[in-house]
Amino acid sequence: DIQMTQSPSSLSASLGDRVTITCRASQGISNFLAWFQQKPGRAPKSLMYAASTLASGVPSRFSGSGSETDFTLTISSLQPEDFATYYCQQYNNYPYTFGQGTKLESK
Amino acid sequence: EVQLVESGGGLVKPGGSLRLSCATSGFIFSDYTMNWVRQAPGRGLEWVASISGRSSYIYYADSVKGRFTISRDNAKDSLFLQMNSLRAEDTAVYFCVREEFSDYFDFWGQGTLVTVSS
Repeated sequence: DIQMTQSPSSLSASLGDRVTITCRASQGISNFLAWFQQKPGRAPKSLMYAASTLASGVPSRFSGSGSETDFTLTISSLQPEDFATYYCQQYNNYPYTFGQGTKLESK
Repeated sequence: EVQLVESGGGLVKPGGSLRLSCATSGFIFSDYTMNWVRQAPGRGLEWVASISGRSSYIYYADSVKGRFTISRDNAKDSLFLQMNSLRAEDTAVYFCVREEFSDYFDFWGQGTLVTVSS
């Protein structure tokens, strides 16, 4: 199975900050990498797919990059609604696997 | 508008069974691969099972293989998860998830809670 490792596990930031979350795959997955945002008590929401393609309706302050084993999710200017937990997921091979999550909190 | 609505969750004893359903609308159900993903309380996301549009391809996580069965009824636009031999570690919110043609998860249901406890 492909292991997905996110860093950091938690992050404190302020409104307007630029924030970067990293996701590493245990083997190459080309660009079959997605990012999800989840708020407490809610279902995850799709943010990004194919490593760098924004899902429909997602603000342009979100961006993604990377290929094979190393990926990043960047929020260019943090907004109040961005405080949440973020997950990466590989869909190159079954079993599909998720990172452990990065909790983004207000400083 | 795409809608995925799970039902069937509840409290069940270890060793028991439960059948989850996901009613869908707003898209051509038979065109899409569908998935179940679960989340234990306070934990991360775990993919459980996947079924292609015509049920030709079915995959399971090792943690549920042999105990869970994913199925679908394209005439009723519905997805199912039959869960047998339930264990405490199966306690989780179970999400029904649509897989877009590029294989990524684009829409999620709101989830249904399964609690396995004596």
